[in-house]
Amino acid sequence: AQSVTQLDSQVPVFEEAPVELRCNYSSSVSVYLFWYVQYPNQGLQLLLKYLSGSTLVESINGFEAEFNKSQTSFHLRKPSVHISDTAEYFCAVSEPGGGNKLTFGTGTQLKVEL
Amino acid sequence: GAVVSQHPSWVICKSGTSVKIECRSLDFQATTMFWYRQFPKQSLMLMATSNEGSKATYEQGVEKDKFLINHASLTLSTLTVTSAHPEDSSFYICSARDRGRGSTGELFFGEGSRLTVL
Repeated sequence: AQSVTQLDSQVPVFEEAPVELRCNYSSSVSVYLFWYVQYPNQGLQLLLKYLSGSTLVESINGFEAEFNKSQTSFHLRKPSVHISDTAEYFCAVSEPGGGNKLTFGTGTQLKVEL
Repeated sequence: GAVVSQHPSWVICKSGTSVKIECRSLDFQATTMFWYRQFPKQSLMLMATSNEGSKATYEQGVEKDKFLINHASLTLSTLTVTSAHPEDSSFYICSARDRGRGSTGELFFGEGSRLTVL
């Protein structure tokens, strides 16, 4: 069975400051890893994903995440956040061949302040 | 591309009535769709996996007679909350797998439907 842990339920940060949202997973097999973002009263949008290859993946809006197999982590980072980044961020994992069944973490609320 | 639309986005109903929520893949075919429930400030809880042309697979603890799922075509799945009660009030989200993209693990999510049962 898989599980995903997001230790930080809330992360307040000032605009233009760097941020890291932590994600750790457990699985007995290889995994696909995802970060989704959810704005208020909306569904989830894929931010970035790791399927294979380079362990560092980037999104178009400046976020990046690095897959660390030894630490079973997939932390999300951004060097300089903007007010518009305020949202709920979910880390998720699925198993190749697992039918796309996603297991989500509990989410981290990123609140960017002026 | 890969847009999933849910309807309605908001619905208020009286206790005891049934409510149907639609999930459509607008520009791709979805052999598999997933239905989630999200409580305030919590994560998504998978309710069931909906496969086109066959019965849905429900997660443990989810009442299949309470939450009826139909996936009659490759672009439409419906969730019907039967005899709704206030405790069924929640945010329901669907996601779909694009069968044309193989098994990449990526899912596309709808905008969500907020159900309030009075």
